[in-house]
Amino acid sequence: AQSVAQPEDQVNVAEGNPLTVKCTYSVSGNPYLFWYVQYPNRGLQFLLKYITGDNLVKGSYGFEAEFNKSQTSFHLKKPSALVSDSALYFCAVSRRADSNYQLIWGAGTKLIIKP
Amino acid sequence: DVKVTQSSRYLVKRTGEKVFLECVQDMDHENMFWYRQDPGLGLRLIYFSYDVKMKEKGDIPEGYSVSREKKERFSLILESASTNQTSMYLCASSFRSSGLFYEQYFGPGTRLTVT
Repeated sequence: AQSVAQPEDQVNVAEGNPLTVKCTYSVSGNPYLFWYVQYPNRGLQFLLKYITGDNLVKGSYGFEAEFNKSQTSFHLKKPSALVSDSALYFCAVSRRADSNYQLIWGAGTKLIIKP
Repeated sequence: DVKVTQSSRYLVKRTGEKVFLECVQDMDHENMFWYRQDPGLGLRLIYFSYDVKMKEKGDIPEGYSVSREKKERFSLILESASTNQTSMYLCASSFRSSGLFYEQYFGPGTRLTVT
């Protein structure tokens, strides 16, 4: 069965330290990979996506993500965390090409950045 | 900027009532989606529409129906609201192109409480 796993419900990081939010997937073929962020009381916002090419993808707000095909992972990273990065982060993966553009979503990881 | 608006931020309804949630996008997107978001479960797709009057069931369509009479508007209908439909409902839209997955743009969400 196709699935996306975000193994950590919550990640705590001190401000200024690097952060990583993990995502692994089990989807056939060569899926597209996405990260979204949800700030408190707001809708989801697109952060970045991987389609093909360079395994390191850069996105909004200084975030980047590393695609690893052999480990079927797409971890979100930032070199220096800000308190304002505290939010709920979702990883999403495209289903098969015949699925009319639907995504499979992870359960979300709450990121808490402490001053 | 893409804008996706939802008719209500908060809604309280009684069991058995018929509930309408409206979503409007202003970017001429072909695809529109309705999700529900519950803690620890991520986003689950209720229905998807890829064109006017076209719809596909998502992962959890039971108890819901949808309507898309105009390209910019996608409505979610709870035929007879039940307490287990208390949730956050998110609408999203995206471009559609053969074989490509474009990012989805989300509305702010409607928090529905059924009592």
